[in-house]
Amino acid sequence: DTAVSQTPKYLVTQMGNDKSIKCEQNLGHDTMYWYKQDSKKFLKIMFSYNNKELIINETVPNRFSPKSPDKAHLNLHINSLELGDSAVYFCASSQALNTGELFFGEGSRLTVL
Amino acid sequence: AQSVTQLGSHVSVSEGALVLLRCNYSSSVPPYLFWYVQYPNQGLQLLLKYTSAATLVKGINGFEAEFKKSETSFHLTKPSAHMSDAAEYFCAVKGNAGNMLTFGGGTRLMVKP
Repeated sequence: DTAVSQTPKYLVTQMGNDKSIKCEQNLGHDTMYWYKQDSKKFLKIMFSYNNKELIINETVPNRFSPKSPDKAHLNLHINSLELGDSAVYFCASSQALNTGELFFGEGSRLTVL
Repeated sequence: AQSVTQLGSHVSVSEGALVLLRCNYSSSVPPYLFWYVQYPNQGLQLLLKYTSAATLVKGINGFEAEFKKSETSFHLTKPSAHMSDAAEYFCAVKGNAGNMLTFGGGTRLMVKP
């Protein structure tokens, strides 16, 4: 059983489209995250949720909207996609808010044409 | 504020040779430090962590790291490289007052037969 699972694994889409990535964790963790990894492998946190509440919202355009329907799920919706949004998006979870021990999904590679 | 610098974006070693991946950190509070590994097309996995207990930390797959406050370093080592160690390695720091993990730029380890 995959602990943190993301779907889809690959998305290829045109500029201006809207897309969503779903994430689910079966570890019983309280905190979930979205990270963006660019083409140079640099990892940057985008959002953090704890018990379905938004904790961290880094400088991310408001075209990106996370949604956490429950503790086990954190979805990411992106409106009006731009070329610069092409990246690998990782979902992660941790047992609690203040631990650095993150469990990552396998990533969703988004390519915007 | 906290940051991590990984010296050397690429490191190449021969199978059986010593692995040394360098990480220097900056933190205004006593840090928690982590090493993560990312195998191709996968998410990150925790290798080991330092949380102010023993300064020499042992992790999975024979890796270890030593926290040196005087040098603000947390270098990752393994006595003998194996082909399966080829991956991207990320050092990360977290201040104990907050939950945000800051990643370094990563070091790609290549292992030659």
